[in-house]
Amino acid sequence: DAKTTQPPSMDCAEGRAANLPCNHSTISGNEYVYWYRQIHSQGPQYIIHGLKNNETNEMASLIITEDRKSSTLILPHATLRDTAVYYCIVRPRSGGSNYKLTFGKGTLLTVNP
Amino acid sequence: EAGVTQFPSHSVIEKGQTVTLRCDPISGHDNLYWYRRVMGKEIKFLLHFVKESKQDESGMPNNRFLAERTGGTYSTLKVQPAELEDSGVYFCASSLGATTNEKLFFGSGTQLSVL
Repeated sequence: DAKTTQPPSMDCAEGRAANLPCNHSTISGNEYVYWYRQIHSQGPQYIIHGLKNNETNEMASLIITEDRKSSTLILPHATLRDTAVYYCIVRPRSGGSNYKLTFGKGTLLTVNP
Repeated sequence: EAGVTQFPSHSVIEKGQTVTLRCDPISGHDNLYWYRRVMGKEIKFLLHFVKESKQDESGMPNNRFLAERTGGTYSTLKVQPAELEDSGVYFCASSLGATTNEKLFFGSGTQLSVL
């Protein structure tokens, strides 16, 4: 089962920042936070991941709280093409099944014009 | 560089028939995974190949499902005989390695409809 909790849906205006929250209160020190998204009719797409420090790449920023029990994915300037289901996934850093992704229900982000 | 390719994109078959799905991973990726999403459920892991060897097939639902990766390149997933509950989207993914820092690259999936 997924170890994360996300709101089922969110709306965002085009051009504004989209902030997607995720709770992972049972995360252990050995686990990363990953974000993937699935745009309609496509496969899941990697966005970003982090352990405890905030991370930024060309797609998004990831803010992880100091206690690591929650995180926020930030899309700084959302476009219509960012409409997708966003998945927050906790993934072991090492160990037998660290290659597996356990998907939850995710958050459907709708970017409105 | 080509991404993960899956064929066919859609398949409609009758209950009891056989269907074979194909996945071509990114060139050089030793690790290949199958996932699926059945109606109304989350995306679930099915199995993991390293080259031609099955490392983990704990997610395979039953013995009607057979995955192969002969030669460590492309993979096939055969469902025989197909049942109604097998309907869903089957995703293939690949990665260079299998450590936590490795990104998985997914194909667009095969939409399987069993009537």
